[in-house]
Amino acid sequence: DAGVIQSPRHEVTEMGQEVTLRCKPISGHDYLFWYRQTMMRGLELLIYFNNNVPIDDSGMPEDRFSAKMPNASFSTLKIQPSEPRDSAVYFCASRQGGWNSPLHFGNGTRLTVT
Amino acid sequence: AQSVTQLGSHVSVSEGALVLLRCNYSSSVPPYLFWYVQYPNQGLQLLLKYTSAATLVKGINGFEAEFKKSETSFHLTKPSAHMSDAAEYFCAVSDRGSRNDMRFGAGTRLTVKP
Repeated sequence: DAGVIQSPRHEVTEMGQEVTLRCKPISGHDYLFWYRQTMMRGLELLIYFNNNVPIDDSGMPEDRFSAKMPNASFSTLKIQPSEPRDSAVYFCASRQGGWNSPLHFGNGTRLTVT
Repeated sequence: AQSVTQLGSHVSVSEGALVLLRCNYSSSVPPYLFWYVQYPNQGLQLLLKYTSAATLVKGINGFEAEFKKSETSFHLTKPSAHMSDAAEYFCAVSDRGSRNDMRFGAGTRLTVKP
């Protein structure tokens, strides 16, 4: 089991540029989550999917953020245009089953927007 | 909506001393509770979870947690701290009314002094 795979591990970009973060969940997992971690706000849930369908995107900060899950093995989180306040570590996590199952996290993407 | 509160953003103990990390939850229905650990530059890893089968839960690396409904608490303990326990620890809650998402506490950073 390779675990949840995120790419890239680090991303440095200039304000105004488009950023795409990628995630491959664990095979067979039917839930996928995107979290953002910062010193100020801790770990925030941005959006999650069940069977590739977005269930709750109320945590997405604004329209500049979008997420897709075109199939069971791939998801993207896109920021367009990026701003310095988007700098954070973005985690993808997956889970098999519902609310009583633990999450499995990737190692995150550290995004720096200058 | 359910939530967790972790008391103390930083805890420092000496090697060999008792580790106690506090977590209180708020939930309108019986919750599922989790403790995760995060090492530098890594994602969160599951330490243990409470699923109502037993109030005292044993996890990996010698950690355990006790669910106390009367106190709405789920504190994490380890009898003897090791240098390798230095990390950030997160309490999380999930319940039937949460539409299958998981909410995390702000985290407690554990420092172990030699």
